Amino acid sequence: QITLKESGPTLVKPTQTLTLTCTFSGFSLNTHGVGVNWIRQPPGKALEWLALIYWDDDKRYSPSLKSRLTITKDTSKNQVVLTMTNMDPVDTATYYCAHTAIFGVGPNFDYWGQGTLVTVSS
Amino acid sequence: QSALTQPRSVSGSPGQSVTISCTGTSSDVGSYNFVSWYQQHPGKAPKLMIYDVSKRPSGVPARFSGSKSGNTASLTISGLQAEDEADYYCCSYVGRYYVFGTGTKVTVL
Repeated sequence: QITLKESGPTLVKPTQTLTLTCTFSGFSLNTHGVGVNWIRQPPGKALEWLALIYWDDDKRYSPSLKSRLTITKDTSKNQVVLTMTNMDPVDTATYYCAHTAIFGVGPNFDYWGQGTLVTVSS
Repeated sequence: QSALTQPRSVSGSPGQSVTISCTGTSSDVGSYNFVSWYQQHPGKAPKLMIYDVSKRPSGVPARFSGSKSGNTASLTISGLQAEDEADYYCCSYVGRYYVFGTGTKVTVL
């Protein structure tokens, strides 16, 4: 079955760079149509889509955060990494990774990790 | 890239029907038939309930249905059950990125 799990620091200081890793199993990022997304949710607030990387290394970013985000994949390790620069307290949120399969349920998020809470504070 | 607009809350008694609206623009909801809905219980990850406006993934009860008219998509829960009490988010694929809704809390009275 498909599983995803996020990992990374729970606390970062303002201006620092955040690096999060999504480790997955049950699918391959070499498979046509498959992608992994990053989505975040500040405490008590709505979901916000951040980035997506496809099997062919096509990368998509939130227009409002594009300058701060980089998404990469390591298919040999079954991992996707998101980096976000210049962190600010408003970036405090639970960060999720989620699976996409264009030829499954389309460009939607059908499997999610449990999420990891990242707090930005000095 | 503004969030899609949802009512903050809706409520209903067990067995009743509730409908959650998701209003966007002609650039997002109005242009793509890739609207999805997610259910989120407190402290849990979201769960895909509806995709491509009206399709249900395997395992999602038939009491959940979706539709779209113009720039507004809707999620209807028929025969409301206690376990349906949760937050619900719509999401629209917008070509090269996605935009989520503001979220709606469904309360079962």
